[in-house]
Amino acid sequence: GENVEQHPSTLSVQEGDSAVIKCTYSDSASNYFPWYKQELGKGPQLIIDIRSNVGEKKDQRIAVTLNKTAKHFSLHITETQPEDSAVYFCAALLSGSARQLTFGSGTQLTVLP
Amino acid sequence: DVKVTQSSRYLVKRTGEKVFLECVQDMDHENMFWYRQDPGLGLRLIYFSYDVKMKEKGDIPEGYSVSREKKERFSLILESASTNQTSMYLCASSPGTPNEQFFGPGTRLTVL
Repeated sequence: GENVEQHPSTLSVQEGDSAVIKCTYSDSASNYFPWYKQELGKGPQLIIDIRSNVGEKKDQRIAVTLNKTAKHFSLHITETQPEDSAVYFCAALLSGSARQLTFGSGTQLTVLP
Repeated sequence: DVKVTQSSRYLVKRTGEKVFLECVQDMDHENMFWYRQDPGLGLRLIYFSYDVKMKEKGDIPEGYSVSREKKERFSLILESASTNQTSMYLCASSPGTPNEQFFGPGTRLTVL
């Protein structure tokens, strides 16, 4: 099955700096890669996603890049703010199952004021 | 707004008890999912359902069963709770695939 590795597990940045979280996946046929943000006491919420026919996608301060050849994708957050502090999960859609996402282990991002 | 609700935020049960976790979504979504979340392990899929009375095993189905009698409701059942099932349980739904999954707030289950 699919395997998704996520790094780093914790990340601290100063407010206003950029943050980058990286994920690698094992199944070259995976074609959908969402990122979820989980705030304390809440369930994860989708913040951005990318499909395999696109190399980059941006939404205001967040962006995701995908390198299909290397089988990795990254989340970039620019001009970080305290409200960006949360746990972030990457995921990949398992080939052969149209519904089953495989999640990474999560990154605890802390934005220091 | 899509809303996914879970029956309890916190639950404490004894080893060997039968435990029911309920999840309800209000947006007529086809797919519903049960995950467990443990530190350092991310979200692991236990079971999912793509239609009423239909279910498929995820990555860690052992010790669990599910029921989907109505489209809006998906139940997770621990037939005989064990201490290694102490975890955060998250329910999610989605309108199709590949599409956004909407998560409930989670149930933190402690098995003593």
